[in-house]
Amino acid sequence: SYELTQPPSVSVSPGQTAKITCSGDALPKRYANWYQQRPGQAPVLVIFKDSERPSGIPERFSGSSSGTTVTLTISGVQAEDEADYYCQSADSSDTFVFGTGTKVTVL
Amino acid sequence: QVQLQESGPGLVKPSEPLSLRCTVSGGSTRSFSWSWIRQPPGKGLEWIGYIYDSGSPNYNPSLKSRVSISLDTSKNQFSLNLSSLTTADTAVYYCARLRSAGAYFFDCWGQGTLVTVSS
Repeated sequence: SYELTQPPSVSVSPGQTAKITCSGDALPKRYANWYQQRPGQAPVLVIFKDSERPSGIPERFSGSSSGTTVTLTISGVQAEDEADYYCQSADSSDTFVFGTGTKVTVL
Repeated sequence: QVQLQESGPGLVKPSEPLSLRCTVSGGSTRSFSWSWIRQPPGKGLEWIGYIYDSGSPNYNPSLKSRVSISLDTSKNQFSLNLSSLTTADTAVYYCARLRSAGAYFFDCWGQGTLVTVSS
């Protein structure tokens, strides 16, 4: 089955930049989306279609794509950005998969 | 602002079926796709399946033999049925709206409901 691989954890100091990668063989052909999940809360969409930001999501969240890897970048990290982040994409049969998840720790 | 709310039993015995309902408020279930996603304690997200208004549902191949999703547009609700539960099905179950805008993504989520499978 299709898999999306993320690093288990990323640590960053406040005000610095965090980059979270997501790798998958189908990503050159499929868009990816990103979700933020704070402890005890439901996931929230922060990036869709590789790089578009939903209304209400701060501009410090951005997304990019290159080959089999998509990247979520959080610029000027704030304490409130400490959360788990998941990428998500679709495969060719309209089924959906989430990445393995990355825990972002703000030092 | 569309809001989703899951409801159903918090405790189910092994081998018994699970039935969950998601009630949509602030918008119509018509002309949208609706999905179920789950998350075992301390683990990642797993997509279960989705249904589109008047369309056929589509399921995660790993769960396809045990799952069914239905939609009642008159009540603005959709439901999940999962049979033959085991302890591996213990998870927080989320309902979500699935959008298609060049990409497929989940833009609105319920708060989630914890289902524990235990005797």
